[in-house]
Amino acid sequence: NAGVTQTPKFQVLKTGQSMTLQCAQDMNHNSMYWYRQDPGMGLRLIYYSASEGTTDKGEVPNGYNVSRLNKREFSLRLESAAPSQTSVYFCASSAGTGKKSVGFGSGTRLTVV
Amino acid sequence: AQTVTQSQPEMSVQEAETVTLSCTYDTSESDYYLFWYKQPPSRQMILVIRQEAYKQQNATENRFSVNFQKAAKSFSLKISDSQLGDAAMYFCAYRFLYGQNFVFGPGTRLSVLP
Repeated sequence: NAGVTQTPKFQVLKTGQSMTLQCAQDMNHNSMYWYRQDPGMGLRLIYYSASEGTTDKGEVPNGYNVSRLNKREFSLRLESAAPSQTSVYFCASSAGTGKKSVGFGSGTRLTVV
Repeated sequence: AQTVTQSQPEMSVQEAETVTLSCTYDTSESDYYLFWYKQPPSRQMILVIRQEAYKQQNATENRFSVNFQKAAKSFSLKISDSQLGDAAMYFCAYRFLYGQNFVFGPGTRLSVLP
């Protein structure tokens, strides 16, 4: 099993460009998440999806949209990239609530110039 | 809202020695879980250890153990016999029993000196 796979691993965008980060998990998990990691701030939740067909905003949703395409896939879209969105993005999945730990993808380093 | 604080941005330890990383959290809930995740330079997030709040016994995983003080809302990680491979960023995380979200602290960067 590959676990959580996200693409691309690196991306450079110009301000105003759009892009979609792709994420897929093969663990049959219900819950999926998108986090961003910035120095000194840890991981902050952008959006999450508790199950197929549902999405909810996290702590920092502005400037992003998500799609839970099916149980396996959860994509993150930047419609008009801004330098403030320069960050490392992680996709994650979890079997459920509570003690179920979360499995992470390997991250996407995005630079917006 | 729940918050997680890690007051040590950077720590260092001599190889084979013991180091303790601090974590405090704020919550009004009584049932929750706490986690420590390790992020080496590869960027991969790796679960180190997990603690259930209803358990008084501190969790241990080989060289890793926690000191969980529920009343003080403190959850520190002790690494014994430190190895070069332990060098990484360590994140403390909180999750409510019935919650979807994980709340992460800002992280502590651990260096292991040979």
